[in-house]
Amino acid sequence: DTGVSQNPRHKITKRGQNVTFRCDPISEHNRLYWYRQTLGQGPEFLTYFQNEAQLEKSRLLSDRFSAERPKGSFSTLEIQRTEQGDSAMYLCASSLGTEGNSPLHFGNGTRLTVT
Amino acid sequence: AQSVTQPDIHITVSEGASLELRCNYSYGATPYLFWYVQSPGQGLQLLLKYFSGDTLVQGIKGFEAEFKRSQSSFNLRKPSVHWSDAAEYFCAVGTGTASKLTFGTGTRLQVTL
Repeated sequence: DTGVSQNPRHKITKRGQNVTFRCDPISEHNRLYWYRQTLGQGPEFLTYFQNEAQLEKSRLLSDRFSAERPKGSFSTLEIQRTEQGDSAMYLCASSLGTEGNSPLHFGNGTRLTVT
Repeated sequence: AQSVTQPDIHITVSEGASLELRCNYSYGATPYLFWYVQSPGQGLQLLLKYFSGDTLVQGIKGFEAEFKRSQSSFNLRKPSVHWSDAAEYFCAVGTGTASKLTFGTGTRLQVTL
């Protein structure tokens, strides 16, 4: 179990630029989740995949955000035309199973700063 | 929709003292309940979980939590806190089949020596 891996750990970008983050889940996990965490808050759900299918997207996920998991393994989260309000920690998690009681295993996150 | 309330934003305890972090949830049926811990700049680590059965659950690092349906609570406890326990603690509720968790706003634990 090598854990959930996220890259990069930190990203500083200028407003209006596009950024892409990568998440490699635990290898046998079929579910993959993206969360966003701002300072002083708990993580907020953005979207999740079961294998390669994106099953749910939060209303927090504006049209500037897109996530993919093309082969049911790693996932990418892209933010287009970044805004200062996008500054946050983006957390990826994975789980095994199809029930709601499957624990999520989190990566260390990607911290995005938009200047 | 489900929700989680952690009423204490910040708690300070002395090393060796006991600890209780409060968590209240709102959900119509029996929820799946979790406690996670987050160190600065890190991701979240699962401490323990409750799905069904015994309402007192044991977790890692000497933590335990008790599910009380009548109070809609899932408080986290530890009999003797260590300085390394200083971190942010999050309670979360999961429902249905999605494993999509709703988190509280967290409680920051400070441990004094």
